[in-house]
Amino acid sequence: NTKITQSPRYLILGRANKSLECEQHLGHNAMYWYKQSAEKPPELMFLYNLKQLIRNETVPSRFIPECPDSSKLLLHISAVDPEDSAVYFCASSQVGTENNERLFFGHGTKLSVL
Amino acid sequence: GEQVEQRPPHLSVREGDSAVIICTYTDPNSYYFFWYKQEPGAGLQLLMKVFSSTEINEGQGFTVLLNKKDKQLSLNLTAAHPGDSAVYFCAVRPIVNTGNYKYVFGAGTRLKVIA
Repeated sequence: NTKITQSPRYLILGRANKSLECEQHLGHNAMYWYKQSAEKPPELMFLYNLKQLIRNETVPSRFIPECPDSSKLLLHISAVDPEDSAVYFCASSQVGTENNERLFFGHGTKLSVL
Repeated sequence: GEQVEQRPPHLSVREGDSAVIICTYTDPNSYYFFWYKQEPGAGLQLLMKVFSSTEINEGQGFTVLLNKKDKQLSLNLTAAHPGDSAVYFCAVRPIVNTGNYKYVFGAGTRLKVIA
């Protein structure tokens, strides 16, 4: 899947700061960050629609999203905690086109916290 | 908010057999329904989007049935093959645009197809 690219693919951290990056090449107007812990479904962390943050789930304040333009999404993480070990997926959709709207996922960033 | 129950959590079938995964939702509001497939180390791949007006949806090697009376969505894999081994998730999203674009996922079903 090259339509939504995420970097890095794998990340191993101690208590450090790091940013995850995502770019979508689908022309979508909504982008999402999902967290998927082992053996669990994806959980929504943040949602941007037309670059405006309109859904902000109750995630720890050490996670800060940023949407520099409609095709890019960042997730800044400061002082990670072992409970943050998971796969972080970026996703996008075209809202406002109801019949055609569907959620597309990137390949994810696997974060392992030491 | 909407809750989605998915079962079974694990499913093992022999190659050529059928496999059925069921999701049950609670809210009577209209939704879009989705089935996703997740292979190891990969993101979620959309299998099918289902509209609430369509009860039977045919895909490649599978059928999705929407039973509105019982509020159930099922994924029926016909003649499963090893390449179907993956985790399958159902998801729902409200049709009414209230700014809520939240997709609610089921817990997932880990399907293993034995050759």
